[in-house]
Amino acid sequence: GAGVSQSPRYKVAKRGQDVALRCDPISGHVSLFWYQQALGQGPEFLTYFQNEAQLDKSGLPSDRFFAERPEGSVSTLKIQRTQQEDSAVYLCASSQRAGGTEAFFGQGTRLTVV
Amino acid sequence: DAKTTQPPSMDCAEGRAANLPCNHSTISGNEYVYWYRQIHSQGPQYIIHGLKNNETNEMASLIITEDRKSSTLILPHATLRDTAVYYCIVSYRNSGNTPLVFGKGTRLSVIA
Repeated sequence: GAGVSQSPRYKVAKRGQDVALRCDPISGHVSLFWYQQALGQGPEFLTYFQNEAQLDKSGLPSDRFFAERPEGSVSTLKIQRTQQEDSAVYLCASSQRAGGTEAFFGQGTRLTVV
Repeated sequence: DAKTTQPPSMDCAEGRAANLPCNHSTISGNEYVYWYRQIHSQGPQYIIHGLKNNETNEMASLIITEDRKSSTLILPHATLRDTAVYYCIVSYRNSGNTPLVFGKGTRLSVIA
């Protein structure tokens, strides 16, 4: 596709359930970022991949959050034992360059934990 | 924490220029000024960036003061589709280890 694709678009999870959010970056893009956006706030950085290497995971809020990009393209953000405070929009972005700051964002996955 | 300060909201009449200010008084010499916008229910969209010279592209113009402590994003002829939250971000370019840090941005409402 032409842009960054995220799925599912919406996810409702019961508290305690595990979820997996998928990101398909633009083909050939080296950098991939995950952000979390709470209602009314700006996006907050979670983690950064350069190809398959996870170079920065300093923004992951707890060890319940795990991200991977095993082949340097598609990435999955997994949240274990979801809590209500995990409810947010999860945004994925990719960039052509390593650490690229001109990034293309997907539409996000809106996660609601009930 | 974001290194920028922006007004929380602004209005602009359709067809007029929208001038969005941003203060970044602690910007360092190698940091760029980036602007992104986020239309409702979409992901952020890159608009423009600059270091010290003024920049223009098909979307907007970026005016950076000589001391680099503030900048203005200009949408020359605002349309209803420009209604969005606009984020001013200061960042090293292509550094990876310093990801984009978004603040709360300015909510621009373009009014017919």
